[in-house]
Amino acid sequence: SQTIHQWPATLVQPVGSPLSLECTVEGTSNPNLYWYRQAAGRGLQLLFYSVGIGQISSEVPQNLSASRPQDRQFILSSKKLLLSDSGFYLCAWSPPHSGELFFGEGSRLTVL
Amino acid sequence: DAKTTQPPSMDCAEGRAANLPCNHSTISGNEYVYWYRQIHSQGPQYIIHGLKNNETNEMASLIITEDRKSSTLILPHATLRDTAVYYCIVRALTGGFKTIFGAGTRLFVKA
Repeated sequence: SQTIHQWPATLVQPVGSPLSLECTVEGTSNPNLYWYRQAAGRGLQLLFYSVGIGQISSEVPQNLSASRPQDRQFILSSKKLLLSDSGFYLCAWSPPHSGELFFGEGSRLTVL
Repeated sequence: DAKTTQPPSMDCAEGRAANLPCNHSTISGNEYVYWYRQIHSQGPQYIIHGLKNNETNEMASLIITEDRKSSTLILPHATLRDTAVYYCIVRALTGGFKTIFGAGTRLFVKA
C-alpha cells in the first residue's frame, strides 16, 4: 500500500533562518506531488506542484522554493524565513491520472 | 482561484443526515467533483468523487445535478466525529494537475 511521510512534524525557527521540509511517498511511482500551506484558521493554499522529477510549478510568488530530486521525494525550502511563513504545511500526492489526493501528517512551522 | 462556492458553516443534529451543498456553475465537461474533509490539525481526507452520476461509498453519497452545476454531499447519519471542514473541488484528470481548495464548509454536528 502507498504511504506518505513528511517531517519534521513541528518546528520553531527564528526569522531569517533557513527551512527544509521533506516529504516522501512509498508504494507508488511517478506520483503528482503537492505542497500546501494553511495559516491559522484559514483554508489551504497551493504552493507548489510537480508532475515529475525536476518539474516544479509555483503557484504563489514568495520566498519559498520546492525541489523534486527523486521520483518520490519533494522538498520545500527557504533561505530566509519571514514571520508570515508560519503555518501548517501539508504535502500530498496523487496517482498520475487521478484527482484523488492523499495528504501527509503535516508540519507545523512557527517563525518567531 | 477556487471554482466552487460553499456556505461557510452548517449545523447538524447527531444522527440526522447532513446535506452539504456546493455550487460549481462553471464546471467543464471533463471535470470531476471531489469532496474532502479536514478534521482539526490533520491533513484533508478524501471522501468521494463523481463526474455526472450519483455516487455512494461507505462514508457518504454524492448527488450531482443533471446540469452538473451543483452537487450535494450527504452524510446519512452524522456523528460528532463528522465535525470538520468539508471541501468541494472540481478538477480534470488530464491537462493539468492543480488542485485548488476553497474555504469549505465548517460542519458542526451537535448532540
